[in-house]
Formats: sequence, structure tokens, C-alpha cells
Amino acid sequence: KAGVTQTPRYLIKTRGQQVTLSCSPISGHRSVSWYQQTPGQGLQFLFEYFSETQRNKGNFPGRFSGRQFSNSRSEMNVSTLELGDSALYLCASRGVAAQETQYFGPGTRLLVL
Amino acid sequence: GQNIDQPTEMTATEGAIVQINCTYQTSGFNGLFWYQQHAGEAPTFLSYNVLDGLEEKGRFSSFLSRSKGYSYLLLKELQMKDSASYLCAVDNTDKLIFGTGTRLQVFP
Repeated sequence: KAGVTQTPRYLIKTRGQQVTLSCSPISGHRSVSWYQQTPGQGLQFLFEYFSETQRNKGNFPGRFSGRQFSNSRSEMNVSTLELGDSALYLCASRGVAAQETQYFGPGTRLLVL
Repeated sequence: GQNIDQPTEMTATEGAIVQINCTYQTSGFNGLFWYQQHAGEAPTFLSYNVLDGLEEKGRFSSFLSRSKGYSYLLLKELQMKDSASYLCAVDNTDKLIFGTGTRLQVFP
């Protein structure tokens, strides 16, 4: 089985721009979660999607949004980028059975200038 | 509130044994994950404990005590490649709540 894939791997944007990141989960996984990782804050939960519905959301401003498609692929969008949005954005997928392991993709490293 | 504590940094010698502790206080608990993360890379799965006790996987073992809100990751026969950050995360059903991670440095 192929693992979780994320595109692009690296991205440079300027303040005020917007960005869309993409994640393809492991085949058969319907749960997709997004995390932001920064050196100071560690891994912070952004949101989780299951069957195209957002089930849970972390404490991030409304500039951070996401969606999931019928094939379980997910995108997250950040509008009006700020310098502090520079981070590694990680996507993780999980199967539907109870107590399934969550697997991470390689991440998208975003730099905001 | 949600609180997960791990030591920030640890050092050890090649061939030795190291134990990384994790204590947690969360509103929900389904299980506890341990991930390894090398610098600049994504976290990779090490273990998932749901029930109390010790689970062994080769050189790595993980222990959980739900009544004490405590877990540890035990690494035996340390190798240089084990130098990485180790992340403890509580499975809260719809999300994982991560500690800030323990950076382990293995010296020859």
C-alpha cells in the first residue's frame, strides 16, 4: 500500500497571499487530519475530516480551512498568510476500525516571507 | 485542560538503554501513541498502547498505566540512528494531542 502523500513538499509565499496544500491518504483510509509543526509549539492539531465532514477543529483562526473530497483526498487552505504561518504542515490518515494507527505524510514545508 | 509532559532533551551513549517518560492529563483517552521524528522529516509510528502494560517490539518497548496517566518508551541497544525526537501523543478519538517531544542525542 502506498503511504500518505502530500503536495507540494516545499512552498515559498509572501505575506497576504493564500496557499492550498493537498493530501492523499492511504487507500481505504477515510479519516484525514492536519497538523502544524513549529519549533516553538510542537505539533498542533488543525482539523480532522471524515467522509467529507469536518469532525473536529483545533484552536486556529478562520484563515485556516480545509475540505475533503469523496475520494478522501483532502486540501487545506490558508488565506492572508502571516510570517508566523511558516511551518511544517503534516497530514495524517487513519482507518475506520477502532484504535487504528494514524500515519503521517512527509509534510509540506511552508515559508512565508 | 489538556496537558502532556515529556522531558525536552536527553542524552545517552551508543549501546545503552534509555527511558523516555510521558505524563498526561486529558479529557478523553483512547490510547497513547509514540512516534519518532528525525530532523526535517515526518513522524513515523513506533507504538500504540491501549491497555495497561508493556508492549515490546524489537529494541523498542512502550509501557502504559492509565490510572497514573503515565507512559514510557524504552530504547535498548542504542544506535547512532536513534538520535531523533520522540513524540508522545494521546489519542482523543478525533485527534491526537501531542507533547512537545523529547530530543534524544546518542553519542559514540
